[in-house]
Amino acid sequence: KNEVEQSPQNLTAQEGEFITINCSYSVGISALHWLQQHPGGGIVSLFMLSSGKKKHGRLIATINIQEKHSSLHITASHPRDSAVYICATTSGGGADGLTFGKGTHLIIQP
Amino acid sequence: DTAVSQTPKYLVTQMGNDKSIKCEQNLGHDTMYWYKQDSKKFLKIMFSYNNKELIINETVPNRFSPKSPDKAHLNLHINSLELGDSAVYFCASSLTRTAQYFGPGTRLLVL
Repeated sequence: KNEVEQSPQNLTAQEGEFITINCSYSVGISALHWLQQHPGGGIVSLFMLSSGKKKHGRLIATINIQEKHSSLHITASHPRDSAVYICATTSGGGADGLTFGKGTHLIIQP
Repeated sequence: DTAVSQTPKYLVTQMGNDKSIKCEQNLGHDTMYWYKQDSKKFLKIMFSYNNKELIINETVPNRFSPKSPDKAHLNLHINSLELGDSAVYFCASSLTRTAQYFGPGTRLLVL
């Protein structure tokens, strides 16, 4: 059974700072997902990756399969980035649900 | 033009009642899921389903059952509701092995 650990649990930063959120997992996976949950509760998928690096706007996600570790970076952070960021994994089956970390609560202060 | 929709958005009910939450997706996805987010905001898979297999998380009580009338719908039926069932329930969908799209959630409160 996969265990997904995230750090930090809470992060407060100033606008413009470079943000890093880390995720580690315990067993082999088919893909790693980064999700964003807004204060209103909605959940949005940011990235799904199985190797290397992906970039979307100011967000960058990387994964190291050998070390079972992924990072989510936010460049030039903005108060609208304030949300809970959740790491999750899938293990390969055709109808395979996500196994979630506990989330990182990010607050960006103006 | 909602991609994944859930009804109702809020559900307040008494212990012991039976209730259903509906989920529909208009994305043409082949796999649908139900997740539970508890009071500590931790998300956990309950069911995942495509036309070939139903995967049930072994920790889910058999009072919970998914019903899929067609590929676009996966409804969640809950019998004999208990206080501990109070949570936010999210439906999601995806094509096999791709990113998942989440519904807005259904906030269930059992009194």
